[in-house]
Amino acid sequence: TQLLEQSPQFLSIQEGENLTVYCNSSSVFSSLQWYRQEPGEGPVLLVTVVTGGEVKKLKRLTFQFGDARKDSSLHITAAQPGDTGLYLCAGPPGYNFNKFYFGSGTKLNVKP
Amino acid sequence: GAVVSQHPSRVICKSGTSVKIECRSLDFQATTMFWYRQFPKKSLMLMATSNEGSKATYEQGVEKDKFLINHASLTLSTLTVTSAHPEDSSFYICSAREPRTRSGYTFGSGTRLTVV
Repeated sequence: TQLLEQSPQFLSIQEGENLTVYCNSSSVFSSLQWYRQEPGEGPVLLVTVVTGGEVKKLKRLTFQFGDARKDSSLHITAAQPGDTGLYLCAGPPGYNFNKFYFGSGTKLNVKP
Repeated sequence: GAVVSQHPSRVICKSGTSVKIECRSLDFQATTMFWYRQFPKKSLMLMATSNEGSKATYEQGVEKDKFLINHASLTLSTLTVTSAHPEDSSFYICSAREPRTRSGYTFGSGTRLTVV
């Protein structure tokens, strides 16, 4: 079983559409991070959320950390083909920094 | 910024042989490093946490004798896949914890292992 479950698993949309990716856990995380990964490469950090209820914006991307720090969401506005990739949430469970788990992943494909 | 170098980027080995993957922190000391395995189109699965000077902590279901991890210095951790089989073929990624960076964690670029 995955400590961090993401939904949807796959998403194929047209350019210009909006989308939301969810990351859920039954465990509390001291922080959660969102990454994007291209095939054959390491993951690239998009954002870190630390405070429950926190909202961060990165251009067309909006990230939210749940009040209870058990879930997070990533919303993309007006998706572009360049947004295509594997999106991963990740973090250390509780305050155990000797662990760092990734979510199950969401593969996004934005068609022109 | 903190950089982690992973080597080799690609390796092909014969069944039954062993292969070593290196993960180096280039400009910082990493007391904790992580090793992940990634199957095609899947997420990264934590295999083990490597702590300098002590034994690695393996996740449930990961064979310690198959995947040997050594963290002998503050800048180097190695993963050795012993007696490799085709089912060990995968993408392996290391990461180092560096609290002073924005993310706190820095990733290598990965190693594509193919066992033939």
